[in-house]
Amino acid sequence: KAGVTQTPRYLIKTRGQQVTLSCSPISGHRSVSWYQQTPGQGLQFLFEYFSETQRNKGNFPGRFSGRQFSNSRSEMNVSTLELGDSALYLCASKEGSGSGGEQYFGPGTRLTVT
Amino acid sequence: DQQVKQNSPSLSVQEGRISILNCDYTNSMFDYFLWYKKYPAEGPTFLISISSIKDKNEDGRFTVFLNKSAKHLSLHIVPSQPGDSAVYFCAASAWDDKIIFGKGTRLHILP
Repeated sequence: KAGVTQTPRYLIKTRGQQVTLSCSPISGHRSVSWYQQTPGQGLQFLFEYFSETQRNKGNFPGRFSGRQFSNSRSEMNVSTLELGDSALYLCASKEGSGSGGEQYFGPGTRLTVT
Repeated sequence: DQQVKQNSPSLSVQEGRISILNCDYTNSMFDYFLWYKKYPAEGPTFLISISSIKDKNEDGRFTVFLNKSAKHLSLHIVPSQPGDSAVYFCAASAWDDKIIFGKGTRLHILP
């Protein structure tokens, strides 16, 4: 099976712009979670989607949003980018929702905001 | 409020010795715990997990210990190998809830 893929791998944007990141989960996986990784903050949970519905949401401002399509692919959008949004954005997929079960991570999208 | 804490940002261990990575948590509702390993430029990969009904889970060179009364878990790697040099994340979740990660511990295996 192909792993989790994320596009693009690298992105440079300027403050005030918006960005959309894409994640394709492992075939058969219906849950997709998004995380932000910054130096010193570890992995911070953004949100989880399961069957096109947002199941859980982390403590991020409304500028961060996401969606999931019927084929389980997910997109994450960040509007009005700020310098502090520079980070590695990781998505992870698993078969079911909720806790338990193994998550498989993609390689991440490194976003740099200048 | 950090619910999952990895208080050691880095750890250096001699090759062949035991590596012990520690993790503390504050939320008593957590019932499932995981360890992930991350190499640079790659996403984290799952290592081992433990349910709150157990106090130990072993998989090859990796063993996770859970002390619920102390809200503490640890990952033991023995013997440590050069390929174990990576960042290790501890993570926890409550039933049907999101997975919360610690900030990670960078493990250096010394030759």
